[in-house]
Amino acid sequence: DVKVTQSSRYLVKRTGEKVFLECVQDMDHENMFWYRQDPGLGLRLIYFSYDVKMKEKGDIPEGYSVSREKKERFSLILESASTNQTSMYLCASSWTGEQYFGPGTRLTVT
Amino acid sequence: DAKTTQPNSMESNEEEPVHLPCNHSTISGTDYIHWYRQLPSQGPEYVIHGLTSNVNNRMASLAIAEDRKSSTLILHRATLRDAAVYYCILRDDNAGNMLTFGGGTRLMVKP
Repeated sequence: DVKVTQSSRYLVKRTGEKVFLECVQDMDHENMFWYRQDPGLGLRLIYFSYDVKMKEKGDIPEGYSVSREKKERFSLILESASTNQTSMYLCASSWTGEQYFGPGTRLTVT
Repeated sequence: DAKTTQPNSMESNEEEPVHLPCNHSTISGTDYIHWYRQLPSQGPEYVIHGLTSNVNNRMASLAIAEDRKSSTLILHRATLRDAAVYYCILRDDNAGNMLTFGGGTRLMVKP
């Protein structure tokens, strides 16, 4: 079975802190994605990557950056966390078509 | 981007079939129809996808209209564990592996 793991289920950070959300997949997938999910707004794509050291902006990249140094790991970085980044963050990976999602990290910024 | 329209919510009785509709009148020839579902407190999971022909797998069936402007996800016998938000998504085969999620249909299953 494909497994996508995220470093934390719940995280509480203060405004202005640098935040790292880690995602690891074990199926040698080329593609990895970061989404955020908010009530009434659904899932929105932040960044994605088609290969190591490669990244592309999604629909809402402002305030975020990403890093993909190894194929299995895709990190989402909040350089200076703000309260409007309080959300559920979901990572996914895919080979072709079907995406496999992690369990999500619920981030609260106070 | 081609968009999909789904009812906000539906109800079903346990052990009865459920038909979840999706309209996609602006679908293009290279769009695949994907269905995902999201159980409470979990990430979305893939259910099924198709292009033109009806598809079956262990989770569900996908019925695609002949003109491809609508599709129906069929759960043959709903269980309480099928209560989730179901998303119908169009994926352009020429645009990589990105998915654009809409609002989905919240399925409630009554015992």
